Amino acid sequence: DIQMTQSPSSLSASVGDRVTITCRASQSISSYLNWYQQKLGKAPKLLIYAASSLQSGVPSRFSGSGSGTDFTLTISSLQPEDFATYYCQQSYSTPITFGQGTRLEIK
Amino acid sequence: EVQLVESGGGLVQPGRSLRLSCTASGFTFGDYAMSWVRQAPGKGLEWVGFIRSKTYGGTTEYAASVKDRFTISRDDSKSIAYLRMNSLKTDDTAVYYCTRGIWAAAGLYFFDYWGQGTLVTVSS
Repeated sequence: DIQMTQSPSSLSASVGDRVTITCRASQSISSYLNWYQQKLGKAPKLLIYAASSLQSGVPSRFSGSGSGTDFTLTISSLQPEDFATYYCQQSYSTPITFGQGTRLEIK
Repeated sequence: EVQLVESGGGLVQPGRSLRLSCTASGFTFGDYAMSWVRQAPGKGLEWVGFIRSKTYGGTTEYAASVKDRFTISRDDSKSIAYLRMNSLKTDDTAVYYCTRGIWAAAGLYFFDYWGQGTLVTVSS
């Protein structure tokens, strides 16, 4: 199975900050990496697919990059509604696996 | 508007069975793969399995943790996906989400719409 490791596990930041979350795969997954946002008590929401493609309706302050084993999710200027937990997910091979999540909290 | 609505969750004893349903609307259900993803209380996301569209054989794949106990099926005429869970364990306690899957390319699969989730509690 492909292991997905996110760092950091939690992060405190302020409105307006630039934030980067990293996801590392245990083997190369090409660009088959997706990012989700989950707010407390809600279903996850797709943000980025194929490592860098922005899902329709997602604000442009979100961006993704990377290929192979190392990927990043960047929020260019944090907004109050961005405080949530973020997950990466690989689909290169089954079983589909998620990272453990990064909790983004208000400083 | 795409909507996915799960139902069938609840409290069940270990060893018993339960069937979840996911009723879809707002898109041509038969054209899409459907997946189930679960989340244990306070934990992260875990893929349970998926069923391909009939165009791609309607075949299924599962996580090792549920293989041979859980079965995903679909009724395209009713736009419903099912998750049959047998031999339930306390570790199966989770919110179960139904998701629509997009095969954008070989190897690229993502979940673009999610239901609100249904809680399954396995306890004696």
